[in-house]
Amino acid sequence: GAVVSQHPSRVICKSGTSVKIECRSLDFQATTMFWYRQFPKQSLMLMATSNEGSKATYEQGVEKDKFLINHASLTLSTLTVTSAHPEDSSFYICSASRSTYGYTFGSGTRLTVV
Amino acid sequence: RKEVEQDPGPFNVPEGATVAFNCTYSNSASQSFFWYRQDCRKEPKLLMSVYSSGNEDGRFTAQLNRASQYISLLIRDSKLSDSATYLCVVKNTGNQFYFGTGTSLTVIP
Repeated sequence: GAVVSQHPSRVICKSGTSVKIECRSLDFQATTMFWYRQFPKQSLMLMATSNEGSKATYEQGVEKDKFLINHASLTLSTLTVTSAHPEDSSFYICSASRSTYGYTFGSGTRLTVV
Repeated sequence: RKEVEQDPGPFNVPEGATVAFNCTYSNSASQSFFWYRQDCRKEPKLLMSVYSSGNEDGRFTAQLNRASQYISLLIRDSKLSDSATYLCVVKNTGNQFYFGTGTSLTVIP
């Protein structure tokens, strides 16, 4: 149980285009999902907390107009990287908690902007 | 001050060795504690929760010291497959999870 599916696993896009990443909780309902970014050889950095039916909460330094988050249902949150640039190339991971005992991560999306 | 701090390592140990990682947290009201394992270019996966009384899962032992606000992970009889980055994770009262920077372990044949 507690499976989180993330799609796509890998995407290459041109600079200036937008990319949407989906995060689905497959066997449970997640009122809250989290989006992380990880640059090479660095730890996960929380970007935003996605709340079902309301606006996401962004961490300091994360541009909400660039990283659009939509959490329209209890099983799906999406992250759209708008007007992507090469510096946005990173490993993006979502996660969701089913209980108070830790949470499950999606398999991640490796974004390369060329 | 960071919420969670870990020694990034790297730790390079021979097979069969015992290795210990420590992690400190800044918020004394933190509620839950975990160790995650992350393999290169993969997502983190829960290794074990950390309970106040300490807990063991096979070769892995986790301990929590609330007074000193640190968490430890002990790996006995290291295997090559234990090579990974180990992340300390702390959950605060606001339901926020905070990650340490991770400790890199390489087990050498």
